[in-house]
Amino acid sequence: DAGITQSPRHKVTETGTPVTLRCHQTENHRYMYWYRQDPGHGLRLIHYSYGVKDTDKGEVSDGYSVSRSKTEDFLLTLESATSSQTSVYFCAISGGGDRVKDTQYFGPGTRLTVL
Amino acid sequence: GNSVTQMEGPVTLSEEAFLTINCTYTATGYPSLFWYVQYPGEGLQLLLKATKADDKGSNKGFEATYRKETTSFHLEKGSVQVSDSAVYFCALLNSGYSTLTFGKGTMLLVSP
Repeated sequence: DAGITQSPRHKVTETGTPVTLRCHQTENHRYMYWYRQDPGHGLRLIHYSYGVKDTDKGEVSDGYSVSRSKTEDFLLTLESATSSQTSVYFCAISGGGDRVKDTQYFGPGTRLTVL
Repeated sequence: GNSVTQMEGPVTLSEEAFLTINCTYTATGYPSLFWYVQYPGEGLQLLLKATKADDKGSNKGFEATYRKETTSFHLEKGSVQVSDSAVYFCALLNSGYSTLTFGKGTMLLVSP
C-alpha cells in the first residue's frame, strides 16, 4: 500500500543487539499494528496502538516494545535480539482517512535475520 | 479466545479448475470476516470481506459467504488462473480495538 512504508526492508543482526523497525503512514489512521509472520503460524499480533502514546500487547509481545510519539510513526524495538525473533515483520493500519474503518492495510514487510 | 482454522496447503490446481479453501472460526458473537491474499514477496492485501451473517463478499472472481450456522467463510473461485498463485489468509475482527485473528494461511499453486 502506497500509504505505508516500513524501514528497513531487510536487516541482518547478531544475537544480543538492539533493533528498531519503523512503520510510517501518510493516511492519518488511528490504529497501527505490528505482526510477525512465520511458517506454520500465519500472522501473529505483537503490539498495537490505538492512538498517540496508547499501545497494548498482542499475542506474542514478549521481547518486544513499541512506541508511538506521533500519529504517523509506530516503532517496534527488540531490546536484545534472539534467533527466535528471526521473522518477517508487517505493519498494518486501520481506522482513518477515507478508508473503511474495519479493514487493515498492510505494509510491504521487513525481513529480519538474527544470527 | 477467538480462533480461525484454515485447510492446510499447498493446494495445487490446474488453470481453470474450481477452487475452494475452507475456513471456520470460533468467536463470541458475529465478527466481521475477511480473506486476505499475499503474493510472493509482498504484504497482505484485502481480497474480500463480509460484515454480517449471510453476507457474500466478492472480488476478482473470488467469493465467500458468511455462514453463522456452520461458523464458516469458505473461499471459492470458479476458474483459477496462474496469477492466483499466492497465500490466502482467513481472518476475523475482534471486538474492541479492531485487532484481527488470522488463520495460518493456505498456499495455492496454479499450473498452466
